[in-house]
Amino acid sequence: DAGVIQSPRHEVTEMGQEVTLRCKPISGHNSLFWYRQTMMRGLELLIYFNNNVPIDDSGMPEDRFSAKMPNASFSTLKIQPSEPRDSAVYFCASSLAGRGRVETQYFGPGTRLLVL
Amino acid sequence: DQQVKQNSPSLSVQEGRISILNCDYTNSMFDYFLWYKKYPAEGPTFLISISSIKDKNEDGRFTVFLNKSAKHLSLHIVPSQPGDSAVYFCAAPRRWGGADGLTFGKGTHLIIQP
Repeated sequence: DAGVIQSPRHEVTEMGQEVTLRCKPISGHNSLFWYRQTMMRGLELLIYFNNNVPIDDSGMPEDRFSAKMPNASFSTLKIQPSEPRDSAVYFCASSLAGRGRVETQYFGPGTRLLVL
Repeated sequence: DQQVKQNSPSLSVQEGRISILNCDYTNSMFDYFLWYKKYPAEGPTFLISISSIKDKNEDGRFTVFLNKSAKHLSLHIVPSQPGDSAVYFCAAPRRWGGADGLTFGKGTHLIIQP
């Protein structure tokens, strides 16, 4: 099993540019999560999808952030325009959600974003 | 507002001794807790969990203790090994079932000294 795949692993961009982060969840998983890790706020949930449908995007910091999941094997997180305060590590995670149990979330290796 | 708190940013322990990592929570509705381990340049990986109907769960060298009245849990690693050096996150499902994501503490960086 390849695990959760994220690309790119590192991204350096200039303020004002558009950034797109990509994620391929584990095959068969029906839930996908985007998290952001910063020194100040730790790991925080941005948005999650269940069966490709966005369920809760209340963690998305601003309208500059958007996420899509066009199919069960692909998701993107876009920042447009990017700002220096968006610099962080962005993680994608997936799980097989089911009624009545807590399923382990499996994380990708993360994308380290630096906005200059 | 942090509902899961890890108040020790770092902890240094000698190899072979016991490592104890602590976590406090504020939401009494939490009924399940997880510990994740993270190495540099990797994503967090699941380590061990505990349901609120238990007060202890053991898996090899790792034991998690839950004190519901104190809203406190701890992770014990015995004996500590060099490969245990990592950042450890305490987490709880945002809602029962966990299908809508986890809320994490800020992590404790465990350093095992040879």
